[in-house]
Amino acid sequence: AQKVTQAQTEISVVEKEDVTLDCVYETRDTTYYLFWYKQPPSGELVFLIRRNSFDEQNEISGRYSWNFQKSTSSFNFTITASQVVDSAVYFCVLSSGNTPLVFGKGTRLSVIA
Amino acid sequence: DGGITQSPKYLFRKEGQNVTLSCEQNLNHDAMYWYRQDPGQGLRLIYYSQIVNDFQKGDIAEGYSVSREKKESFPLTVTSAQKNPTAFYLCASSIGISNSGANVLTFGAGSRLTVL
Repeated sequence: AQKVTQAQTEISVVEKEDVTLDCVYETRDTTYYLFWYKQPPSGELVFLIRRNSFDEQNEISGRYSWNFQKSTSSFNFTITASQVVDSAVYFCVLSSGNTPLVFGKGTRLSVIA
Repeated sequence: DGGITQSPKYLFRKEGQNVTLSCEQNLNHDAMYWYRQDPGQGLRLIYYSQIVNDFQKGDIAEGYSVSREKKESFPLTVTSAQKNPTAFYLCASSIGISNSGANVLTFGAGSRLTVL
């Protein structure tokens, strides 16, 4: 069975702090994809990143970075120098096999000015 | 610009009434999905469709119905059989549902249904 666990329900940080959102996944497939989506207060989910199971290279995009570690089945997301505009709910998502995506329950990030 | 349009954005319904939420996409995507979002619950899959005139139940299909008569359209009906329909409903689409990495979903802005 596929499963995604985001243990942090809510996180609050002060602007300019770094913050890491944790994601742990479960799948028996050897080929799979992991995603992060952002849901701002407007409600529409926005795609941030996709990573396949054969590529463990960490990725950096501006203030965002992702750490994929197959050994611990984790795909953590770090925001450096957080800003108020980063306040949103963030979802970690798994695509495994010929089935629809499996969503974590999300982490609500509040960045306080 | 390509995207997904959901309507209405807000909807109020009396108990016992059926309501239909609209979802239209102009991305030429084959797959379309309906998700329900409740506070603290994340997204739960209601129905999905991989091709016209075909759809499959998701995790919480009871009390809902869908149709896929056109590639661009995937309306969701919330029936009176749905015991707790107050929620935020999100429609999404993707190129396909195979494990080819093509499952990047594009989402609509959502419809918030409140039962009075």
